[in-house]
Amino acid sequence: NAGVTQTPKFQVLKTGQSMTLQCAQDMNHEYMSWYRQDPGMGLRLIHYSVGAGITDQGEVPNGYNVSRSTTEDFPLRLLSAAPSQTSVYFCASSQGGAGNTIYFGEGSWLTVV
Amino acid sequence: SQQGEEDPQALSIQEGENATMNCSYKTSINNLQWYRQNSGRGLVHLILIRSNEREKHSGRLRVTLDTSKKSSSLLITASRAADTASYFCAVPRNSGNTPLVFGKGTRLSVIA
Repeated sequence: NAGVTQTPKFQVLKTGQSMTLQCAQDMNHEYMSWYRQDPGMGLRLIHYSVGAGITDQGEVPNGYNVSRSTTEDFPLRLLSAAPSQTSVYFCASSQGGAGNTIYFGEGSWLTVV
Repeated sequence: SQQGEEDPQALSIQEGENATMNCSYKTSINNLQWYRQNSGRGLVHLILIRSNEREKHSGRLRVTLDTSKKSSSLLITASRAADTASYFCAVPRNSGNTPLVFGKGTRLSVIA
């Protein structure tokens, strides 16, 4: 009954450090996405994937990399963390694109100092 | 670019009252979804309405869609303190097999 699992839940990084936010789903969903949520900005799409081996950019992709080597996993990499990347990050999965219910993880709170 | 935009940004009502939130979007869509987010949690799907539907019900929720005005509304009837949350509409980013894009949400407070 896991659904979408994100790790870590909380992380503090120093400017310039790199890290990976992990996301795994156990629903055999083809579609996975990463969003960031900032106060007053709603959710903004970072990257998404329509299946293993296929990724594409969202609205705010700069500073982030993704890969999709398996159906289950969709990690988000911060290459060189900046204070502007302080945010709450949500991973989501669905059977397909728009028109399908999206299932969200519980979020990863990232602070860059 | 496509995006849903909710109105009002915040809404405070008494328990038992109805709460209405609105969503406007820019370009034609095939469907629109509403999600709820409790404080500190992930979003949870509430309801999906397709472009050929004008109204849809789910329990105390009623969603309408007016494609000519590019707008949707979410009505929560007989609200409860447990309905306190943020509510988001989501629309397809583009046509085809496309991800959803979300608005900034309406923050609903239901006072007991």
